[in-house]
Amino acid sequence: EDKVVQSPLSLVVHEGDTVTLNCSYEVTNFRSLLWYKQEKKAPTFLFMLTSSGIEKKSGRLSSILDKKELFSILNITATQTGDSAIYLCAVGGSNYKLTFGKGTLLTVNP
Amino acid sequence: NAGVTQTPKFQVLKTGQSMTLQCAQDMNHEYMSWYRQDPGMGLRLIHYSVGAGITDQGEVPNGYNVSRSTTEDFPLRLLSAAPSQTSVYFCASSYSYPSGSYEQYFGPGTRLTVT
Repeated sequence: EDKVVQSPLSLVVHEGDTVTLNCSYEVTNFRSLLWYKQEKKAPTFLFMLTSSGIEKKSGRLSSILDKKELFSILNITATQTGDSAIYLCAVGGSNYKLTFGKGTLLTVNP
Repeated sequence: NAGVTQTPKFQVLKTGQSMTLQCAQDMNHEYMSWYRQDPGMGLRLIHYSVGAGITDQGEVPNGYNVSRSTTEDFPLRLLSAAPSQTSVYFCASSYSYPSGSYEQYFGPGTRLTVT
């Protein structure tokens, strides 16, 4: 059974701090790892990492995938209060389903 | 494009009642899925469909039925509601298998309370 573990489960920082969110996984025939941001509504897509794309960056957010050690990190630099959200990691394998972790609740205080 | 739409947004049921959560997408996506989200549990897959006429079970299928008669619609039926089914339900779709190279789009969610 595929498994995704995110850490920490919650995190409180001050504006301007840099945060690192972790996602480790066990999956049969890994195909992709995805990061989503969820505010008070549906998750929105951030990044997809695959064998052919192990590092992604968009503004203050960046993510890397370590396929050997089976983990990914999501970095957010110069955090803002608008970054407060649940960050979800999901992994896709050969069974064509996505398995989600429990999420990391990030709170950025002014 | 409306994207992925879900109705209703909120619903309160009594134990034992049945109901159908509606989901529709107008992006001609083959793959659709239903998740439930409980506090501190992330998203758990209930059922999914890889195309019209084809459905399969996810991680937590008990108490739920689905069908996929058209590409656009993927309703989720609660057969006999139980308090354990109190949750937020998300429908999602993607062009093909979301574990490949295709982004999955989520609907706005349905908040269901079973008393």
